[in-house]
Amino acid sequence: SQQGEEDPQALSIQEGENATMNCSYKTSINNLQWYRQNSGRGLVHLILIRSNEREKHSGRLRVTLDTSKKSSSLLITASRAADTASYFCATDEGNTGKLIFGQGTTLQVKP
Amino acid sequence: GAVVSQHPSRVICKSGTSVKIECRSLDFQATTMFWYRQFPKQSLMLMATSNEGSKATYEQGVEKDKFLINHASLTLSTLTVTSAHPEDSSFYICSALDLRRPETQYFGPGTRLLVL
Repeated sequence: SQQGEEDPQALSIQEGENATMNCSYKTSINNLQWYRQNSGRGLVHLILIRSNEREKHSGRLRVTLDTSKKSSSLLITASRAADTASYFCATDEGNTGKLIFGQGTTLQVKP
Repeated sequence: GAVVSQHPSRVICKSGTSVKIECRSLDFQATTMFWYRQFPKQSLMLMATSNEGSKATYEQGVEKDKFLINHASLTLSTLTVTSAHPEDSSFYICSALDLRRPETQYFGPGTRLLVL
């Protein structure tokens, strides 16, 4: 089942601008992960944030997690045309290793 | 980082035939692999969990007799779409868990299936 909802569904920005994507989930989690998918390709793992963490950075990526609101955000700063892709959040289901994916945000960065 | 491959990357078949898709972990052992299906412009839907040496666990609504999963070794899981129909056309993606880093799944590049 899909428990994550992401907004916006689509985002179009100019190169150099920041892009913010949000994800909400329904159940308790151990961690939340963000993935990137270029059109027609597999997924690339971007960042993992644990339930006891509130913010995490990796290069131009900044992820926040609010477990009280069951939501997370992904911020990409100083976007580049190469950042054009779909971005998905995923939450783990218990200790099964299963990932439940959000609906995704399609990001277009115009040069 | 860990590498997962899928073969074939793209397959076109006639309705009624069976198609086998392979998922391999190239540089690590994966006791658990997952199979996902992704329709155009949609998210990934988990189909089943593949465990080495035991039967796969299927998600609700996924027909186990139609989507046969075999995980015969620590580096290979196969998904066979039996008696494929046009509605089975989709992007099938596998992922593998590296026991050394159990929180992170490594995804294969996907297999595009088109059933005519």
